[in-house]
Amino acid sequence: QVHLVESGGGVVQSGSSLRLSCAPSGFTFSHYAMHWVRQAPGKGLEWLATISYDGRNQHYADSVKGRFVISRDDFMHTVFLQTNSLRDEDTAIYYCAKDSDSSFDLWGQGTMVTVSS
Amino acid sequence: DIVMTQTPLSSPVTLGQPASISCRSSGGLVHSNGKTYLSWVQQRPGQPPRLLIYKVSNRFSGVPDRFSGSGSGTDFTLKISRVEAEDVGVYYCMQATHFPWSFGQGTKVEIK
Repeated sequence: QVHLVESGGGVVQSGSSLRLSCAPSGFTFSHYAMHWVRQAPGKGLEWLATISYDGRNQHYADSVKGRFVISRDDFMHTVFLQTNSLRDEDTAIYYCAKDSDSSFDLWGQGTMVTVSS
Repeated sequence: DIVMTQTPLSSPVTLGQPASISCRSSGGLVHSNGKTYLSWVQQRPGQPPRLLIYKVSNRFSGVPDRFSGSGSGTDFTLKISRVEAEDVGVYYCMQATHFPWSFGQGTKVEIK
């Protein structure tokens, strides 16, 4: 079965770091670009970051550029989002999504990050 | 940066009646390769989003044919021909032509 499972969320203090992980299964991971999207409580969706299928290219939203880093390990079949210098406004559900011709055809259940000052 | 604006933000609909959501981009969405990367996702209450429509008008696998997408340039529309109870949720358009990619604010579809 095809799915994505995120992990690594939690409750942290402002200024802290967390590494989020996304483990895919049921498809050839190394063939696809991958993305992170977040949703603050009661708010809409916000695209955060994209990494190309080969890991050579990354793109970021202005809100996280310089603080978050997307990476992938094709041997471990995992995509990561390293989140640094966390702020209150980073509190959200973080979703991993699989790329299909620049749309998101598979989403995980999400992992919750709560930043408390 | 491209800003995506959806209207309406809320759409109360009678079961069996049509619904329509508009999405307007602040700039053109035709990529240099000639494709238009405008998609629609649905988020049911308490669920992660799921893909409905990609590249303006292509219905994703398993999506009922009562959902359709259309548009070009900067104006795009999602239509539900006959709303069913399972269609309740929030609908988002998203552009993936220009980085940074961006979502609309979302349109909440509810039953009257």
